[in-house]
Amino acid sequence: GAVVSQHPSRVICKSGTSVKIECRSLDFQATTMFWYRQFPKQSLMLMATSNEGSKATYEQGVEKDKFLINHASLTLSTLTVTSAHPEDSSFYICSAPPRGPSTDTQYFGPGTRLTVL
Amino acid sequence: KQEVTQIPAALSVPEGENLVLNCSFTDSAIYNLQWFRQDPGKGLTSLLLIQSSQREQTSGRLNASLDKSSGRSTLYIAASQPGDSATYLCAVRDSAGGTSYGKLTFGQGTILTVHP
Repeated sequence: GAVVSQHPSRVICKSGTSVKIECRSLDFQATTMFWYRQFPKQSLMLMATSNEGSKATYEQGVEKDKFLINHASLTLSTLTVTSAHPEDSSFYICSAPPRGPSTDTQYFGPGTRLTVL
Repeated sequence: KQEVTQIPAALSVPEGENLVLNCSFTDSAIYNLQWFRQDPGKGLTSLLLIQSSQREQTSGRLNASLDKSSGRSTLYIAASQPGDSATYLCAVRDSAGGTSYGKLTFGQGTILTVHP
């Protein structure tokens, strides 16, 4: 089946630093990728929709200048958490629907655990 | 705005029991509904996807039903096993928007523990 990878799987950083998370579709192309955030014992909340070759669409309440999204190719989207603070500590998950006739399925990455000290 | 609620929040059962997880959504104009499994600290595994025109889907010991008009879905797990222990998430994709890649709205999940 289709595979989506994320890198890194876990990152610990100091407050004020920036962290880049990669989301790759390994065996299919995705013009759209979604970025979710999940706080402990809570559900996934959509942060933004990443569109290949154009600007990302952010959900209400998500700061676009803090969470920079770049979808430079059909297999890669990156999320950069700029000037990270402890409240940004969370589990970040991306998903991607394959481009093609069947658009129902979305494949999720394994997630990235971000801890900001 | 679509809201998805899952009941119960947590469930603990002995091995072998049949169980039902519930999901409700506020806006019945959905494109499809999906059930996922999430193990601690891991990503999501899709279990079943039900199109808005369908009533149920089955995969092995899992059966998911959908009543779109009443805004409800259930996930039935037969003969539960300790390996079924995980968080089960329900997510709906709205039909509004007209795009091919609709975003998903998730419920809070049901934490299932199946003890031997």
